[in-house]
Amino acid sequence: QKEVEQNSGPLSVPEGAIASLNCTYSDRVSQSFFWYRQYSGKSPELIMSIYSNGDKEDGRFTAQLNKASQYVSLLIRDSQPSDSATYLCAVADRGSTLGRLYFGRGTQLTVWP
Amino acid sequence: ETGVTQTPRHLVMGMTNKKSLKCEQHLGHNAMYWYKQSAKKPLELMFVYNFKEQTENNSVPSRFSPECPNSSHLFLHLHTLQPEDSALYLCASSQSRTDTQYFGPGTRLTVL
Repeated sequence: QKEVEQNSGPLSVPEGAIASLNCTYSDRVSQSFFWYRQYSGKSPELIMSIYSNGDKEDGRFTAQLNKASQYVSLLIRDSQPSDSATYLCAVADRGSTLGRLYFGRGTQLTVWP
Repeated sequence: ETGVTQTPRHLVMGMTNKKSLKCEQHLGHNAMYWYKQSAKKPLELMFVYNFKEQTENNSVPSRFSPECPNSSHLFLHLHTLQPEDSALYLCASSQSRTDTQYFGPGTRLTVL
């Protein structure tokens, strides 16, 4: 069973701070990595995808991938109360016919004013 | 309509009822999924369809019966459900099974 691990939180940061969300995965052949945001009672929405080692920035969000350490993170700069949500890490393998996306349990983030 | 749509958005049913959830994707994707999410719990993958063929059933009870008539439509037929089946049921689609999944808004199901 392939595993995607996240700290469940809650992670609480003040407005304007940097929120750091972490995710580790068990399958070394994993090739694609995704971060989703899910507001309470709503469906998950894609924030970022990353495929290569290093950093990928999109506005206030930066995804960091280290395949050697099997680690992917999401940094949220200048956190806002509207960023309060559960963040899901998802990892895809490339196992041909059996490949698919695996979701972590999510980290709950609270940004307080 | 764009993206992934689900109907109904809310459903209340008794344990003896039969109902169906509908999902439609307008993205030209080949894979579709049903997930269950209970309160404060992680996503649970239920079924996976790829090119209309069911490729995964994660030990889901037979009171849940999926149907995928074509790559754009996915149904979840419900019968003799239990109160513990009350949850948010999410449909998703992707180009392939390892690509980004796009979710519908979900159906909030309550079983009395």
